[in-house]
Amino acid sequence: QVQLQESGPGLVRPSQTLSLTCTVSGDSISGGHNWNWIRQHPGKGLEWLGNIYYTGSAYYTPSLKSRLTMTVDTSENHFSLRLSSVTAADTAVYYCAREDDVSPYTRYFDFWGQGILVTVSS
Amino acid sequence: QAVLTQPPSVSGPPGQRVTISCSGSSSNLGTNTVNWYQQLPGTAPKLLIYSNSQRPSGVPGRFSGSKSGTSASLTISGLQSEDEADYHCAAWDESLHGPVFGGGTKLTVL
Repeated sequence: QVQLQESGPGLVRPSQTLSLTCTVSGDSISGGHNWNWIRQHPGKGLEWLGNIYYTGSAYYTPSLKSRLTMTVDTSENHFSLRLSSVTAADTAVYYCAREDDVSPYTRYFDFWGQGILVTVSS
Repeated sequence: QAVLTQPPSVSGPPGQRVTISCSGSSSNLGTNTVNWYQQLPGTAPKLLIYSNSQRPSGVPGRFSGSKSGTSASLTISGLQSEDEADYHCAAWDESLHGPVFGGGTKLTVL
């Protein structure tokens, strides 16, 4: 069974950098899937942040592209997210998820981490 | 502001059928298939329907999905108390080069 687990600090100071890691078990991160970060503001819907392939090729949502960096470590079978210059608006539950696809028109997230609440506050 | 439009809430008594709508545009639902995620209280989303109408292994048959043009719907037949959750629609968006989501619909079983 594929499992994903987010880890990182639950509290980040404003203007600092938020760093999270997603550790994958039950699947190889080099197995051909895209690996994604998604967040959910309190009481709100889901927001896709970006994804990364095992080669290191990453795509970011345009609104956060200037502050986002995603990396992958195939030896540790994990991938990471860094979001710089955070504000209170970045307070959210952050999820990592595996992306699967059956065609270019059908892509979905079949396995999710449990999520980690990150609060931005001084 | 979510890209896909869903009603904020729906409700129904046990045993009834409810439908949740999801409306998009030509760059997402008009081109790509829709997926639905169920989010039980305090938990991560779970894939419920993919490719408009396909159910992953383990999802009960009373959950069904459909899509027509730029609109999609999720139908739950024979409501059960354990179906009380938030439901999110999603689709790949050609303009974003990534997925977009609806704002989520809270289902209450009366």
